Amino acid sequence: QKEVEQNSGPLSVPEGAIASLNCTYSDRGSQSFFWYRQYSGKSPELIMFIYSNGDKEDGRFTAQLNKASQYVSLLIRDSQPSDSATYLCAAILSGYSTLTFGKGTMLLVSP
Amino acid sequence: NAGVTQTPKFQVLKTGQSMTLQCAQDMNHNSMYWYRQDPGMGLRLIYYSASEGTTDKGEVPNGYNVSRLNKREFSLRLESAAPSQTSVYFCASATGSGYEQYFGPGTRLTVT
Repeated sequence: QKEVEQNSGPLSVPEGAIASLNCTYSDRGSQSFFWYRQYSGKSPELIMFIYSNGDKEDGRFTAQLNKASQYVSLLIRDSQPSDSATYLCAAILSGYSTLTFGKGTMLLVSP
Repeated sequence: NAGVTQTPKFQVLKTGQSMTLQCAQDMNHNSMYWYRQDPGMGLRLIYYSASEGTTDKGEVPNGYNVSRLNKREFSLRLESAAPSQTSVYFCASATGSGYEQYFGPGTRLTVT
């Protein structure tokens, strides 16, 4: 059964801290991974994607992929209250051609 | 560019009524998708269209039909609405690989 798992949270961090969001997936053969941000009442917005093992940085965001351990994470440096949202992890699992989404982790950044 | 647009934004239906949700994109994307999002269930794929002229079932297709009218437009039809179809519906589009998807603003549907 295809699965992308996330802790629902909420994950609470103070302003300026590093927020670490984690995601695990069921299939070792999966290749492509995505992070979406969804503000309450809004649609998901693509913020990062990663296809290769290792780190990928984009501004305050870093995506990390470890295929051997089957996890992908998103680090947000210098967290701001405006980062408070639900973060959705998604993957193209082996044998599938469409995205499988996790249920999301709610992040709360307090001033 | 408007990106992905959806109409209507809100809709209330009675059980048994039918309706069509409209989606259009102006990014020249090949792939289009319909998802529903329910509390505690995450985003679930209803139907998708990898290219103009093709459609395929996703994870939860029962009770829905789709039409890929042309490259820009992909509609979702509920023939006989049921309370279990109360949800937020998102349309998305993507380039040929289908991996980097861009979402519309959503339609909030309530079936009473």
